[in-house]
Amino acid sequence: QKEVEQDPGPLSVPEGAIVSLNCTYSNSAFQYFMWYRQYSRKGPELLMYTYSSGNKEDGRFTAQVDKSSKYISLFIRDSQPSDSATYLCAMSGEGGYQKVTFGTGTKLQVIP
Amino acid sequence: GAGVSQSPSNKVTEKGKDVELRCDPISGHTALYWYRQSLGQGLEFLIYFQGNSAPDKSGLPSDRFSAERTGGSVSTLTIQRTQQEDSAVYLCASSSTTGGGYTFGSGTRLTVV
Repeated sequence: QKEVEQDPGPLSVPEGAIVSLNCTYSNSAFQYFMWYRQYSRKGPELLMYTYSSGNKEDGRFTAQVDKSSKYISLFIRDSQPSDSATYLCAMSGEGGYQKVTFGTGTKLQVIP
Repeated sequence: GAGVSQSPSNKVTEKGKDVELRCDPISGHTALYWYRQSLGQGLEFLIYFQGNSAPDKSGLPSDRFSAERTGGSVSTLTIQRTQQEDSAVYLCASSSTTGGGYTFGSGTRLTVV
């Protein structure tokens, strides 16, 4: 079993839809939770960064962490064609600069 | 520079040759990481440098892979006697000790023919 599980998709939604992306994990030592966005032929770009359980909102993006269920989510409201990319969840233990474990990524396509 | 710089952006090499990939992290970032991303795969951790500490080499797939970081800044990943399975995008990232996630470069796309 992988430490981090993520549905690879692809996920196709119409413009304006609410998108829900999810990951599960098995390592209870994970404390920092991140979402990265990766466009084709580019490096991943940090979108959201949260510590421990709870919600964090940044514009159209909301990240949720449920440590009791070992489940994290990223919601995108009013999705735009420019949101079409691969979304990678990532997590690490204490000390935000430690080695980060990534999910395999979910490919999202927002149709105009 | 403002971001993490990697060179070359693309590299095609013959099987059995050695290659060197370069990463120039964000100035002041003490942590530097190398990851590998293969088609349809997630990011595979290779090696991690933090300040003057001994690097975490636990992700290097074989002794053909090595990396160094000179002066706490630029890093070079070397792959000796390249094999076709080494074909992948090699990503470098850096971060500050205060955390906040990584900043990635655009990667080096390595193709072994």
